[in-house]
Order: sequence, then C-alpha cells, then structure tokens
Amino acid sequence: DQQVKQNSPSLSVQEGRISILNCDYTNSMFDYFLWYKKYPAEGPTFLISISSIKDKNEDGRFTVFLNKSAKHLSLHIVPSQPGDSAVYFCAARELNSGYALNFGKGTSLLVTP
Amino acid sequence: DVKVTQSSRYLVKRTGEKVFLECVQDMDHENMFWYRQDPGLGLRLIYFSYDVKMKEKGDIPEGYSVSREKKERFSLILESTSTNQTSMYLCASRDTGVAQHFGDGTRLSIL
Repeated sequence: DQQVKQNSPSLSVQEGRISILNCDYTNSMFDYFLWYKKYPAEGPTFLISISSIKDKNEDGRFTVFLNKSAKHLSLHIVPSQPGDSAVYFCAARELNSGYALNFGKGTSLLVTP
Repeated sequence: DVKVTQSSRYLVKRTGEKVFLECVQDMDHENMFWYRQDPGLGLRLIYFSYDVKMKEKGDIPEGYSVSREKKERFSLILESTSTNQTSMYLCASRDTGVAQHFGDGTRLSIL
C-alpha cells in the first residue's frame, strides 16, 4: 500500500505566482521527508528535505512545511518560474529502515508565462 | 558534485533475453539503490545494497537480481526479460546524509 501519497497528478501555475505541492503520508515512523524534481529523460534531483522534528525548512525559493499531526507536508515555490516545470516527487525515510526511501507518485507542475 | 553514471540511456531487448544494467558512482558511497519509474506509479524500489556483497530486497524484487562486487559499482540483472519489465530504471547512491543522488536513468524496452 502507498505510504506516501501525492493526490494531485498535475498542477498549473502562472509565472511569478506561488506553487504549492502537497503530500500526505501514513507511516508515523518516517523521520525525514524529501522533495525531488525530475525533468523528462533525466534522473530525479534532490531539492530540499525536512526532519520530522521540524515544521519548516527553507532554501531560496523553496520552502517545505511539515504538519505532523495531519501527516501532511507541502512544498512552496515562490516565485514560480518556467524552468520549475517538472515532475515533483515527495519521498520519506523510515527510521531504522536501512536508508531506503518511499516515493509518492509525483505531481507534474507546469509554470506558464 | 556526486556523479552517478548509468551505462546506457536507452536499451531495446527481446523477451527472454538476459540484461545487465550497470551503475557506477564516484563518491565512495556505501549505499546504492535500484528503482524503476512507471507512469502513475512513481519510483518503486527494486533492490538496495548497503555495502560490498550485501543486498536487500526492495518492494518489487521479483524478476530481478543484483550484484555489488566493488563499492563503486551496482548492477541490476534481469535474468529473463518480459514485456512488463519495460520501464525507466534509475540508480541512486547515498552518502552519510539522507538524500539519494540519482543517475540519468536507463529506458529499457522489451519487445
């Protein structure tokens, strides 16, 4: 069963606006959450992570928010740029699981000029 | 920068053939991983290795095996390919941090 869920397969946002990508999870043993970005015909690129003991982490235009009580995290991109158009994967690591990551199915973001 | 190199970008094989997918990383990472990516399914873990000659099954190991004879190299083996193994195969490695670093993938088509 899917422990990391990205319920929106796609999202379209205008350039300059905020993009919000959402992710839900079911496993309380996840200790780290990560976001990856993937362009077609390339491997996923690590964007940003957050520890389960924090509720926010920021890196430039990218901010990840974690709501543990709701088992929900989100990635905010501000301002969105056309080059941000890609598939974004949410991933989570389970404590003491041997370093493997559980991935969501991805959300395809399109940033229009 | 971490460099994870997958030997082929595109491969076309026939059903029943044996296929080796090679992955090399240049950062002395202990942990290496093989995933497959399919539309609508995200990335699914096939196998991973946390040291030379060590391997662990992931979520979908059936039909696959792996080999890790040297620290920098992690091979995925499809003993007898079938059409349902047509997919994008992604190799990753991990250092002491939490993030995994991916290669550019091999798009494998089984006819």
